[in-house]
Amino acid sequence: ELKVEQNPLFLSMQEGKNYTIYCNYSTTSDRLYWYRQDPGKSLESLFVLLSNGAVKQEGRLMASLDTKARLSTLHITAAVHDLSATYFCAVGQGSQGNLIFGKGTKLSVKP
Amino acid sequence: KAGVTQTPRYLIKTRGQQVTLSCSPISGHRSVSWYQQTPGQGLQFLFEYFSETQRNKGNFPGRFSGRQFSNSRSEMNVSTLELGDSALYLCASSLATGPDTQYFGPGTRLTVL
Repeated sequence: ELKVEQNPLFLSMQEGKNYTIYCNYSTTSDRLYWYRQDPGKSLESLFVLLSNGAVKQEGRLMASLDTKARLSTLHITAAVHDLSATYFCAVGQGSQGNLIFGKGTKLSVKP
Repeated sequence: KAGVTQTPRYLIKTRGQQVTLSCSPISGHRSVSWYQQTPGQGLQFLFEYFSETQRNKGNFPGRFSGRQFSNSRSEMNVSTLELGDSALYLCASSLATGPDTQYFGPGTRLTVL
């Protein structure tokens, strides 16, 4: 059974600091996703990572994938308040539309 | 291009009733998946439909069912509602031609009293 673990589950950061969210998964998969969710809202797609060593960057966020270690990271550079949200990683299992989600990391960026 | 739409957005039901939720995918998307989100269990996969066929099902009781129509629109039904069914139900669609991004709708907030 595929399990996805994120840590930390809660993260309080100061603006301008850097931090990394980790996502470990238990069995082989061919795709990993990062999503953002604001309170009371739906999920917004951030990144899709498909191969070992894949790295994608958008603004202050950078995601990477190590399929051998079954590990993905989401690195936050020089955090700003607008990044406050819950971030989920999700791993594909089996067919296209079946994603197994981590518990999410609630990020709070304080001035 | 319009995003994934879900109706209704909010729903209040009582135990024992049944409910039907609707999802319209992004135009051209043929795969529709449903997820349940609760504070305790997080996001859990319910089922996936592609070309009117259920392609995968999560670990939920038979009270949860769904279907997909020829225009890719999908509905999910929950019968004999229980208090624990209170959740945000999210629908996602994708092209399903490869490891494509799933795009999520705004969700239906179901409250069971």
